[in-house]
Amino acid sequence: QVQLQESGPGLVKPSQTLSLTCTVSGGSISSGSYYWSWIRQPAGKGLEWIGRIYTSGSTNYNPSLKSRVTISVDTSKNQFSLKLSSVTAADTAVYYCARTKYYYGSGSPPRPYYYMDVWGKGTTVTVSS
Amino acid sequence: SSELTQDPAVSVALGQTVRITCQGDSLRSYYASWYQQKPGQAPVLVIYGKNNRPSGIPDRFSGSSSGNTASLTITGAQAEDEADYYCNSRDSSGNHLPFGTGTKVTVL
Repeated sequence: QVQLQESGPGLVKPSQTLSLTCTVSGGSISSGSYYWSWIRQPAGKGLEWIGRIYTSGSTNYNPSLKSRVTISVDTSKNQFSLKLSSVTAADTAVYYCARTKYYYGSGSPPRPYYYMDVWGKGTTVTVSS
Repeated sequence: SSELTQDPAVSVALGQTVRITCQGDSLRSYYASWYQQKPGQAPVLVIYGKNNRPSGIPDRFSGSSSGNTASLTITGAQAEDEADYYCNSRDSSGNHLPFGTGTKVTVL
């Protein structure tokens, strides 16, 4: 079955750019009409959605992070990536990648929904000098 | 701030039923999905859509929705159900997927 694995530096200096990659195994990142999301969780706090990318390259970002975030996809490597610029200590967190599915729904009117069915184990990123 | 609001914590006696709620305007138009997270582990999808369970999720987990509120019910809670639970749905203003504030479930 499909598995996701995050990778990247565990320590980033303040004001620099955090870069992480999520490698998809067990299936093609281009198949199945999925979005691919990044989520983070500071220690002791809740989950925060960072953004998502469709295999076409279309992206959506959390408005609170939009000015600093870039998510990209490399279908040849079966990977998608996160870049977060100008980091501060507030960006210290466990970062997860997740496969995200959209279903338009049935009924009149239809009632759509999203769900994240496959998650990576997460990688801890600390911002410190 | 999250557009999806959850109670911070609930407790349930072993074998009893607990309902966790998630409130938000977008839930009038979109179903929520629900995630269970145990300490030190990645979240796990437990409910999505109207009331769908992924393979491997026990049938004691169920979902429902009414108005601006989505609910996750655990019927016959087990010790292993003690965890944090988060709802997630599209927001009402754009193509964003915020998580709820999270609910810590304690099984007594």
